[in-house]
This record gives sequence, C-alpha cells and structure tokens, in this order.
Amino acid sequence: DAGVIQSPRHEVTEMGQEVTLRCKPISGHNSLFWYRQTMMRGLELLIYFNNNVPIDDSGMPEDRFSAKMPNASFSTLKIQPSEPRDSAVYFCASSFYSNQPQHFGDGTRLSIL
Amino acid sequence: DQQVKQNSPSLSVQEGRISILNCDYTNSMFDYFLWYKKYPAEGPTFLISISSIKDKNEDGRFTVFLNKSAKHLSLHIVPSQPGDSAVYFCAASGNNNDMRFGAGTRLTVKP
Repeated sequence: DAGVIQSPRHEVTEMGQEVTLRCKPISGHNSLFWYRQTMMRGLELLIYFNNNVPIDDSGMPEDRFSAKMPNASFSTLKIQPSEPRDSAVYFCASSFYSNQPQHFGDGTRLSIL
Repeated sequence: DQQVKQNSPSLSVQEGRISILNCDYTNSMFDYFLWYKKYPAEGPTFLISISSIKDKNEDGRFTVFLNKSAKHLSLHIVPSQPGDSAVYFCAASGNNNDMRFGAGTRLTVKP
C-alpha cells in the first residue's frame, strides 16, 4: 500500500528559477494538504484541497506561490520566481476527510541559492 | 499567529522513565487534537488523537490528556524507549477542518 509520494526529494536551484513540487496522495483520500516546515515556524499549513477544490489558501505566503490539483491523484505546488527565503522542507499530506489524521509524504527539501 | 504552541523545543529523559510533552492552544473552536511523531528525513506520522468530548485517550505506552478549561493537552509516554527519540508535533482542528500544528518538541531518550 503506497503512501503519499512526493517528488523530488531534494531540489537545489538558483534564485529566480521556477520550482515545481509534486504530490501523489493515497488513493481514495479526499483531502490534500501542503505544508512548509522551517526551524522558526515549525509546520505551516499553506493550502488544502477537498475533492480537488482549494478550500483554504490563506497560508500561501505570497503570489509567487500557487497550487493546483487537476485530479484526485496529483497535485503541484509551484514557486515562481523562487527566493532564498523559500528554502525549507515542503510536505504534502492526505486524508479521507479534512478533519481526520493525515498521512504525510517524506517531504521535498528545497534549497534556493 | 501561533494558535498551537509547544513551548519546550527539546526534552531529554532516561530510558524507562516517563516523557511528558506539553501543548497549549488559543482557539476555543478547536475540538480535535492529535500528536504526530517525526523521524529525520521522514514525514510526520500520526500517533494518537483525542476529541474534545474526552479528557483522556490511551494507546499502549502513549496517553493524551486534554484540559479544555486550560486549553492544554499533554502526551505521556511510559516507559520511554530510545526508539521514541523523535520530534513530536501537537496539532488541532476545529469545525473549519484545517489543521494547525505546533513547532514541535525534540524528545531524546537516553539509554
């Protein structure tokens, strides 16, 4: 039984480049979440989807960040243009419903030089 | 704004003793609380939860206590084992269903 799959595991790129993080949720889960983990702020919720529809994106830091969920088995988080302060570990998680325990992927460690 | 706070960034205990991790929240609309455990280079994994209609939930060595009047919850691990060494996140959600996490507490259990 595959868990939440995130790619890439690591991404190193230069400031100004576009970055795309990918997530495949657990099959059958209706809710998908994107989080960012930093030393200062811990785990921050960026955005979550229910049935592929964005419900709350109030945690998205700025317009440079965007997220899509074109179907039930795939989501992307895009940063354009990227900045050094975007460096963090980004987690994707899914659950059957949004108020149930979430299953996390292993994260993407992003470094913007 | 940090609606869920874990004020101790780290905790060290001896193997076999009790570990107590604390969490405070500010939003009185939260009605479901969870603890997650995270090892390095892995995503958090769900450990135990409690709804606001209860004040205690137990699962093996792990017990979560909820004090609604104080807006406080705690996770007790007894006896602690070296394999319990990890970062523990407290999380809470309410009727709007988005989950808020604390900053985490790093637990070290010494053999």
